[in-house]
Amino acid sequence: EIVLTQSPGTLSLSPGERATLSCRASQSVRSTYLTWYQQKPGQAPRLLIYSTTNRATGIPDRFSGSGSGTDFTLTISRLEPEDFAVYYCQQYGSSPPYTFGQGTKLEIK
Amino acid sequence: QVQLVQSGAEVKKPGASVKVSCKASGYTFTDYYIHWLRQVPGQGLEWMGWINPNSGGTNYAQKFQGSVTMTRDTSITTVHMDLSRLRSDDTAIYYCARGPNWGGFDFWGQGTMVTVSS
Repeated sequence: EIVLTQSPGTLSLSPGERATLSCRASQSVRSTYLTWYQQKPGQAPRLLIYSTTNRATGIPDRFSGSGSGTDFTLTISRLEPEDFAVYYCQQYGSSPPYTFGQGTKLEIK
Repeated sequence: QVQLVQSGAEVKKPGASVKVSCKASGYTFTDYYIHWLRQVPGQGLEWMGWINPNSGGTNYAQKFQGSVTMTRDTSITTVHMDLSRLRSDDTAIYYCARGPNWGGFDFWGQGTMVTVSS
């Protein structure tokens, strides 16, 4: 099983600042199969980034993804008030085929 | 627009079964797998399995084999997830999600809260 470890667990920043969220895999993940989601309280997860670097439809360009192998990063260039949420990375690979990181909570400082 | 609309909240007793439905619209139903995932409130996400709406074929996570059954009704573009032998630790929000070919989930249902309590 590929385990995804996200860091930090909680990130406290102010609007306008840059956020860097990390997702580390226990084994190599194909770039095609690394995805990021945003989840706000009481809502379903929302697709942000797929295949490591591709923004989903309607996602602002302040969100970007990068990485390869075992290290992946979600960057939010300039935080807006609506960006404060929990972020999950997810991979597709060996059994179980779909696993998620434990999440990073991005909170307002 | 793509929509996945799930059935309402359920309260069940331990040992019972629950059936959650997910109605798809806004795209060709048979073109995409539908996945089921769950989330204990305040915790992370867990994948349970998928169904191929075209063939009806399924693939369940090992943890749920023997307790989950996924079916579809193409006439009403709806998939169902049956979870049997419920325990208190099955209390969670259950989501259906559409699965494109890049290994993730692009559209999600609104979630269905299932509470298992005696």
